[in-house]
Amino acid sequence: DTAVSQTPKYLVTQMGNDKSIKCEQNLGHDTMYWYKQDSKKFLKIMFSYNNKELIINETVPNRFSPKSPDKAHLNLHINSLELGDSAVYFCASSLSGTQSTDTQYFGPGTRLTVL
Amino acid sequence: QKEVEQDPGPLSVPEGAIVSLNCTYSNSAFQYFMWYRQYSRKGPELLMYTYSSGNKEDGRFTAQVDKSSKYISLFIRDSQPSDSATYLCAMKIARGSTLGRLYFGRGTQLTVWP
Repeated sequence: DTAVSQTPKYLVTQMGNDKSIKCEQNLGHDTMYWYKQDSKKFLKIMFSYNNKELIINETVPNRFSPKSPDKAHLNLHINSLELGDSAVYFCASSLSGTQSTDTQYFGPGTRLTVL
Repeated sequence: QKEVEQDPGPLSVPEGAIVSLNCTYSNSAFQYFMWYRQYSRKGPELLMYTYSSGNKEDGRFTAQVDKSSKYISLFIRDSQPSDSATYLCAMKIARGSTLGRLYFGRGTQLTVWP
């Protein structure tokens, strides 16, 4: 069973379009995250949710809007896609997000290409 | 200056070599240190987790932390071609509103050739 899954795995779209990436975890974790990994492999946090509540909201354009329908799901909606949004987006989850020993488990990533 | 600095490599070594990967950091609030391994087109997976200065060993892997120098290392003994991956260091603070947030280095790409 996949612990953290993301769909789609690949997403190719035109500039200006709106798209969504879905994430689900079956680990029973309370906290979920979205990360962006650029072409140089730099991994940077975008958002985190704990029990459907937004905890971390980094300096991300407001074209990016996370939505957590329940604690097992955290989706990422992106409006008006730009070339610079091309990257790999990773979802992750951790048991609580507040314990120092928490481990984050990452999904396989969604490779977004904006043309 | 980024909070976590890591030489991106690439690093290429022969099978059986000892590999040393390093990160430095500037924020003394970092108290927990991790190494993640990321295979090509996969998500990062946790390799080592440590929070005290000194060494922690797990099989062929040793994580070393020197908080006084703000320097962490990962050593891989008897490296194997299957160790070829990008290694990312990550850190987090002990308390505060950003507890749980990971700060990553840029990753070092390692290739072990047979």
